[in-house]
Amino acid sequence: SQTIHQWPATLVQPVGSPLSLECTVEGTSNPNLYWYRQAAGRGLQLLFYSVGIGQISSEVPQNLSASRPQDRQFILSSKKLLLSDSGFYLCAWTPLRSGRAWEQFFGPGTRLTVL
Amino acid sequence: DQQVKQNSPSLSVQEGRISILNCDYTNSMFDYFLWYKKYPAEGPTFLISISSIKDKNEDGRFTVFLNKSAKHLSLHIVPSQPGDSAVYFCAASAATGGFKTIFGAGTRLFVKA
Repeated sequence: SQTIHQWPATLVQPVGSPLSLECTVEGTSNPNLYWYRQAAGRGLQLLFYSVGIGQISSEVPQNLSASRPQDRQFILSSKKLLLSDSGFYLCAWTPLRSGRAWEQFFGPGTRLTVL
Repeated sequence: DQQVKQNSPSLSVQEGRISILNCDYTNSMFDYFLWYKKYPAEGPTFLISISSIKDKNEDGRFTVFLNKSAKHLSLHIVPSQPGDSAVYFCAASAATGGFKTIFGAGTRLFVKA
């Protein structure tokens, strides 16, 4: 069965510090991968998505970047965090070859607080 | 530009009654619509979906209705149970959109016992 992991679960970082959030998927190959952010009281905002190794599409201009160094690994980074980067970060994947490409499976999320 | 809109931030329903969550969209290229359920501090989980070639899809207590001419869909939960209390996200995808899924802002459902 497929599983998706995210870590850390919670993170408190000072303004101006770097960030690295990691997401890995097990039990599948060549998935589409996504990073979302849910700010307090807001919906899910798509930040980045990737259809393959090294292929990253950015949805919104921001202080963050993403990388996909391996097929099932997706990393969200920042060189200098802003207060507005606080939120709940979610990684998701889609099983492209199952015929249900539209259904996304989400990880448990990372709660980031920037102080 | 909000392509998927959930105009009701919250909804309160009595246990056993029907819950109706609404969603509107603006992009006529969307061809697949989904509902996700989310509990606090967890990732959303897929609930039910509907293709644009259908107007209704049912799965147990959950039914999704799609009105393409009005660019409107709704999720019906009958009967509502206290365990249904969660945030419900409406989402939409387009085949031409590279498998991007656009989410609404969510509606928090409270089911009172």
